Amino acid sequence: EPEVTQTPSHQVTQMGQEVILRCVPISNHLYFYWYRQILGQKVEFLVSFYNNEISEKSEIFDDQFSVERPDGSNFTLKIRSTKLEDSAMYFCASSVDSLLMSYTFGSGTRLTVV
Amino acid sequence: QQQVKQSPQSLIVQKGGISIINCAYENTAFDYFPWYQQFPGKGPALLIAIRPDVSEKKEGRFTISFNKSAKQFSLHIMDSQPGDSATYFCAASNSTGANNLFFGTGTRLTVIP
Repeated sequence: EPEVTQTPSHQVTQMGQEVILRCVPISNHLYFYWYRQILGQKVEFLVSFYNNEISEKSEIFDDQFSVERPDGSNFTLKIRSTKLEDSAMYFCASSVDSLLMSYTFGSGTRLTVV
Repeated sequence: QQQVKQSPQSLIVQKGGISIINCAYENTAFDYFPWYQQFPGKGPALLIAIRPDVSEKKEGRFTISFNKSAKQFSLHIMDSQPGDSATYFCAASNSTGANNLFFGTGTRLTVIP
């Protein structure tokens, strides 16, 4: 069964450093998403991406965040200057169309900012 | 603003029992209500979903009950098994708007043999 692959599974970074979280969506999927889950809290939408541009973003997704699809297979989330409160599990998801039922989530990257 | 409220936070059920998890939503524009199952170390996986034109949807041992007037929906797991032990998230979305999901806070289900 096709999977959304996320790397690394766990990343520890110092406050103020830049981090890039990587995702390889399912190959025929066209819509890409990032969500995050702070420990013990709900999963929250960050951003959606389609046709090489952001289609929707939440208020969490401020100027410190950016997304990119650099090479047609990877989908990355960059946090420019990490803060302690950025510590969370970050989930990438992709879908073949805009129908919500086709969402597939990756296993997540646990980001720890120290 | 908490768009989707989920309860209970944790649930322990005996094998063979019924597990019930409840969610309530605020936005009347929501028209798609999925449940996700998440095992440790894995991402959420779609379990079952419902649209508001029906009051119940059943897939195997899993049933969603939907009450549009009360803006509530629930997941029932019949004949609960230890393999069902996972975290369950309800979610909601407006499928005609931005296709992002609003999640509940999750319920950690433990089914004891």
